[in-house]
Amino acid sequence: QAVVTQEPSLTVSPGGTVTLTCGSSTGAVTSGHYPYWFQQKPGQAPRTLIFDTTNKHSWTPARFSGSLLGGKAALTLSGAQPEDEAEYYCLLSYSGVRVFGGGTKLTVL
Amino acid sequence: EVQLVESGGGLIQPGGSLRLSCAASGFSVSSNHISWVRQAPGKGLEWVSVIYSSGGTFYADSVRGRFTISRDNSKNTLYLQMNSLRAEDTALYYCAKIDYGEDYWGQGTLVTVSS
Repeated sequence: QAVVTQEPSLTVSPGGTVTLTCGSSTGAVTSGHYPYWFQQKPGQAPRTLIFDTTNKHSWTPARFSGSLLGGKAALTLSGAQPEDEAEYYCLLSYSGVRVFGGGTKLTVL
Repeated sequence: EVQLVESGGGLIQPGGSLRLSCAASGFSVSSNHISWVRQAPGKGLEWVSVIYSSGGTFYADSVRGRFTISRDNSKNTLYLQMNSLRAEDTALYYCAKIDYGEDYWGQGTLVTVSS
């Protein structure tokens, strides 16, 4: 089974920009992996921010965007807010089998 | 309104079996892809299994051969039969409807594998 890798932790200043990445042990991440990004805050169920690489939900703040960058899936946060402090998980699909990354703990400080 | 309600969790000894249920409302389980996702205490998310609308199923390596996902269309309910349980299966188990850009999660049911 593939291993999906994320930065364990990142820190961003309020108003700053940060990019979280999601890599695959099998090689470059492509749109065919249908990358998802989830946000999870303590005590809550996860919530989808981005699906199928770049698509946002109605509740996804405009400051979040998804892309493919350097062979990885990427989640960019532009203009970080204190409420963006959370755990972020990517999910990749491998012909039906899905694999989560280990998560990135994002601190806004 | 779409709702997913899990049940069936509890304390079980290593090697034991447990069946989780996920009662769905607001949509038909037979027409949708639905996943099981788990989260060990203080740990990250782990995808467990999915059943497609076609009936096709997929599993994580960590549970393949021990867990079976199924559904009862007449009860509009999803199941996860878990056999040969191990301590590392201890987690909060969510059912989730997250394909095609949807985002519905249950509240989770806690499974604790311990002697």
